Amino acid sequence: DGGITQSPKYLFRKEGQNVTLSCEQNLNHDAMYWYRQDPGQGLRLIYYSQIVNDFQKGDIAEGYSVSREKKESFPLTVTSAQKNPTAFYLCASSIFPIRVGRHQPQHFGDGTRLSIL
Amino acid sequence: SQQGEEDPQALSIQEGENATMNCSYKTSINNLQWYRQNSGRGLVHLILIRSNEREKHSGRLRVTLDTSKKSSSLLITASRAADTASYFCATDAGAETSGSRLTFGEGTQLTVNP
Repeated sequence: DGGITQSPKYLFRKEGQNVTLSCEQNLNHDAMYWYRQDPGQGLRLIYYSQIVNDFQKGDIAEGYSVSREKKESFPLTVTSAQKNPTAFYLCASSIFPIRVGRHQPQHFGDGTRLSIL
Repeated sequence: SQQGEEDPQALSIQEGENATMNCSYKTSINNLQWYRQNSGRGLVHLILIRSNEREKHSGRLRVTLDTSKKSSSLLITASRAADTASYFCATDAGAETSGSRLTFGEGTQLTVNP
């Protein structure tokens, strides 16, 4: 079955440490997204990528970095510069609208919960 | 503030009753989408309504969109305990070539009591 796999499910970060969250999709989607969700809140966009080797900052990119070397993969690194990283991180993908038209839903993984040690 | 704002923040009903959630937004949109999130899980897409549509149905779901009031509502009919979840609206207001970049509201927590 096609879908999005996020790993690990739980992650703990020590002070001053960078950690990387994995996101892999086998839906053949062009666009991929990273969101942060704080307790009782909606989703905020961190970074997104429409094609391989290209990505754009979202609304809260400071303290995060991404890469898009393969269509299937969009890892997110939470750097030590992110002073409040404790949150639920969600990865999503969608078909790029130029291919099939504007109105496409996003498909989500099951998230990674990051906490500070 | 968020593009989409939902109300109520929390809703508790009995099984079999209908649940209505509302979403308001601020700018012109291409479409508005509703998603569901079970506790500790990812979001699941429920329904998408385009800016030129006024109403859409999918099973027990009915969505309306009023672009003049910049608002939408999600109605779940004959609710079940399994409908207990958080429901989010999300708006796509981007340029044609910008990808389906969505802005999410803060959600409505629906509890359906057996």
